Amino acid sequence: ETGVTQSPTHLIKTRGQQVTLRCSSQSGHNTVSWYQQALGQGPQFIFQYYREEENGRGNFPPRFSGLQFPNYSSELNVNALELDDSALYLCASSTLVGDTQYFGPGTRLTVL
Amino acid sequence: AQSVTQLDSHVSVSEGTPVLLRCNYSSSYSPSLFWYVQHPNKGLQLLLKYTSAATLVKGINGFEAEFKKSETSFHLTKPSAHMSDAAEYFCVVSDPSSARQLTFGSGTQLTVLP
Repeated sequence: ETGVTQSPTHLIKTRGQQVTLRCSSQSGHNTVSWYQQALGQGPQFIFQYYREEENGRGNFPPRFSGLQFPNYSSELNVNALELDDSALYLCASSTLVGDTQYFGPGTRLTVL
Repeated sequence: AQSVTQLDSHVSVSEGTPVLLRCNYSSSYSPSLFWYVQHPNKGLQLLLKYTSAATLVKGINGFEAEFKKSETSFHLTKPSAHMSDAAEYFCVVSDPSSARQLTFGSGTQLTVLP
């Protein structure tokens, strides 16, 4: 059974640019959630997708957007990058909305 | 609204001695509670979860946690620390009123001394 994978591992962008992060959910999982973890802090919920529809959103601006595909993989897109967007972005998948979430290794985004 | 407070930002123990990481939660509903561990430059690994079954929950690597509703606590314990337990630990609450999004505490850094 393949776990949650994320790509790329590391990414460096400049302020104002756009970025796309990718996540492949664990086999059999249809729900994907994205979290932002700033240095020295706990992860914060960005949004969740269930069967290709957004199912909940945290306190993040609209320039954070996402997609979920028919194979339940997912993308996180961030437009107009700001310095404070520098963080570890974590993807988590689960079998049902509300079930235990299993996390990928994360993508480290640095905005210069 | 839901929230989690981890009472210690850093805990240091000697190898072979007990570990206690403290967590208090606030939730309007009957919550699900979790402990996750994060090793340096790694993702989050589930240690254990509570979902209204037995109040004493056993997890991986010898960890366990006790749900105490009257104290709104969910402390994590281990009888004997190993060097490999050194990591960041997060107490997490999942609230059914908000699409079961996870709310994380600020984390407790566990150091294990030889």
